[in-house]
Amino acid sequence: QQQVKQSPQSLIVQKGGISIINCAYENTAFDYFPWYQQFPGKGPALLIAIRPDVSEKKEGRFTISFNKSAKQFSLHIMDSQPGDSATYFCAAAGANNLFFGTGTRLTVIP
Amino acid sequence: DVKVTQSSRYLVKRTGEKVFLECVQDMDHENMFWYRQDPGLGLRLIYFSYDVKMKEKGDIPEGYSVSREKKERFSLILESASTNQTSMYLCASSFFHRGQGVGYTFGSGTRLTVV
Repeated sequence: QQQVKQSPQSLIVQKGGISIINCAYENTAFDYFPWYQQFPGKGPALLIAIRPDVSEKKEGRFTISFNKSAKQFSLHIMDSQPGDSATYFCAAAGANNLFFGTGTRLTVIP
Repeated sequence: DVKVTQSSRYLVKRTGEKVFLECVQDMDHENMFWYRQDPGLGLRLIYFSYDVKMKEKGDIPEGYSVSREKKERFSLILESASTNQTSMYLCASSFFHRGQGVGYTFGSGTRLTVV
C-alpha cells in the first residue's frame, strides 16, 4: 500500500510558469514532510521540508503548502527554469522511516 | 561536505550470484537505509538500521539481507541475485531530532543489472 500518493506522474511547464506537484497521505502520525529533487544519475537531494504545525514554507522560488485537515501537501515552483527539470519526490516521515511518493518528472521548456 | 558514499555506480551480475552493495556515511548518523528505485514505483524501503547490529525490515525485504557491523557502514546483500532485482539501489542515512528521523541524505546510487 502506497503510504504517500503523488501526482502528476509527469509535468511539462513553460519557462517562467508555475509548477505544482501534489501529495496526499493517510497516516496522521507522520510529522515531517520533505521534498526531494533528483537529477539523472544522482541520488535524491533535500529541497525543502515542512512540519505540520505550519501551513506554508517558502525558500526562494520553492513553496510547500500544507493542509493538515485534508492530509495533503503540495510543492509550488515559481518562475520555473529549465534547470529545475528533474524528478521530484514528496515524502512523509514516521519515527524511523521515510515514505516516498512515486515521483513527478518535471520538464521546463525554454 | 557530508557524504553518503556507495561503493559502486554500476554493477552487472549473473543470476544466482551473491551480491554485496556497500554504503558508508561520514555524518555519525544513527539511522541508515536501503531503498530501491524503479520507474513509476518511486523509492521503496528494503531494510533500515537505527543502530549498530540492529536491522528492521522495510516494505520489500524478500531476497535481501543487510549487515551493520559499524555505525558508518551499512551493507545490502542479495543472497542469490535474480533478474527482478535489476534496479537502482539508494543508500541513505539520517539522525534523530525531537524523536523524529530527519536530515535524510542519499548516496548517488548503484545501478545493478542482473543478467
